Amino acid sequence: GQSLEQPSEVTAVEGAIVQINCTYQTSGFYGLSWYQQHDGGAPTFLSYNALDGLEETGRFSSFLSRSDSYGYLLLQELQMKDSASYFCAVMGGGNKLTFGTGTQLKVEL
Amino acid sequence: EAGVAQSPRYKIIEKRQSVAFWCNPISGHATLYWYQQILGQGPKLLIQFQNNGVVDDSQLPKDRFSAERLKGVDSTLKIQPAKLEDSAVYLCASSLEGGELAGGQNEQFFGPGTRLTVL
Repeated sequence: GQSLEQPSEVTAVEGAIVQINCTYQTSGFYGLSWYQQHDGGAPTFLSYNALDGLEETGRFSSFLSRSDSYGYLLLQELQMKDSASYFCAVMGGGNKLTFGTGTQLKVEL
Repeated sequence: EAGVAQSPRYKIIEKRQSVAFWCNPISGHATLYWYQQILGQGPKLLIQFQNNGVVDDSQLPKDRFSAERLKGVDSTLKIQPAKLEDSAVYLCASSLEGGELAGGQNEQFFGPGTRLTVL
């Protein structure tokens, strides 16, 4: 089976940098995905890491260490609109995603 | 490009009643997923279709939940009879066929979901 751990809540100020960590235990691993979900909205894809290292997409970056079963999402130059829940998700065989419980990010002025 | 469509957006029923949800995936997406998201939790996969065949339904409570994807396009998810603990948002998602064929990065596109309240 799969299990993922991430912090339940993170608070940061506008313009700051925040890192959301994710550790996982899995019986089948192809990669780690990150999704953003605003209150009442649908999850939207942010990034995917299949190999170790850092992937950068604009203000967002994602990192993976397969040997440590660990990844993180880095959000830079935080904006109020970044207030949302962020989910890490393990990609298993057959394109199956197993989601973590999510981290609620609150961006304050 | 149109996104994943779901209906209804909201549904309130009493326990032991039946309910059905509908999903229309993005055109050309062979894989369709149904997730259950309970408040404060991440989405949990209920069932995954590849075209009109079931790939994974290991977490579907088959005594009360059923799903079908006729003709490999639209899909319906049914709950009969509903229980209080079924109150959740039911999300439909779709993706292109096969992570391997898409270079290992097979993004799933989610619909807006149906919020079910069971009283």
